[in-house]
Amino acid sequence: GENVEQHPSTLSVQEGDSAVIKCTYSDSASNYFPWYKQELGKRPQLIIDIRSNVGEKKDQRIAVTLNKTAKHFSLHITETQPEDSAVYFCAASSGGANNLFFGTGTRLTVIP
Amino acid sequence: DAGVIQSPRHEVTEMGQEVTLRCKPISGHDYLFWYRQTMMRGLELLIYFNNNVPIDDSGMPEDRFSAKMPNASFSTLKIQPSEPRDSAVYFCASSPHERGSYNEQFFGPGTRLTVL
Repeated sequence: GENVEQHPSTLSVQEGDSAVIKCTYSDSASNYFPWYKQELGKRPQLIIDIRSNVGEKKDQRIAVTLNKTAKHFSLHITETQPEDSAVYFCAASSGGANNLFFGTGTRLTVIP
Repeated sequence: DAGVIQSPRHEVTEMGQEVTLRCKPISGHDYLFWYRQTMMRGLELLIYFNNNVPIDDSGMPEDRFSAKMPNASFSTLKIQPSEPRDSAVYFCASSPHERGSYNEQFFGPGTRLTVL
């Protein structure tokens, strides 16, 4: 089955700096890679996703990149703000299934 | 739409008791997922259904766990008997399905289970 690894597990940045979270996956058939944000005590919510026919996708201060050859994808947050503080999860879909395999999460802290 | 609804939001029980968690997916979604979240293991997929049929239950930790989806608007996750190591937050999620595509999973608020 699919195995998704995520790094780092914790990340602290100063407000206004950029944050980068990286994930690798094992199943070359995976072709859908969403990112979820989970605030303390809340549910995970999708913030951005990318499909394997695209190398990069941006949405305001958030961008994702995908390298299918190397089987890794990354989340980039620019101009970080305190409200960006949360746990971020990457995930990958395995082949034709609709289920997701999640990384272990990155706790991002933005220091004002 | 109210989103995915889970009940109860919090459950405290004693070891050996039966626990039933409930989920109502978003109307029209034909996929339903049950996840368990702990600090040690992160988000784990336990089981998922498509059109009320269990598709993959390989994540169910052991026979003490069972899940049902008797109709398109209701699912249960049961633990019998419960053990302290089952303490976790249990999320239900649902998603629509477009042929040949992948779709966002919408999570419920979760049930925080504490087994004493």
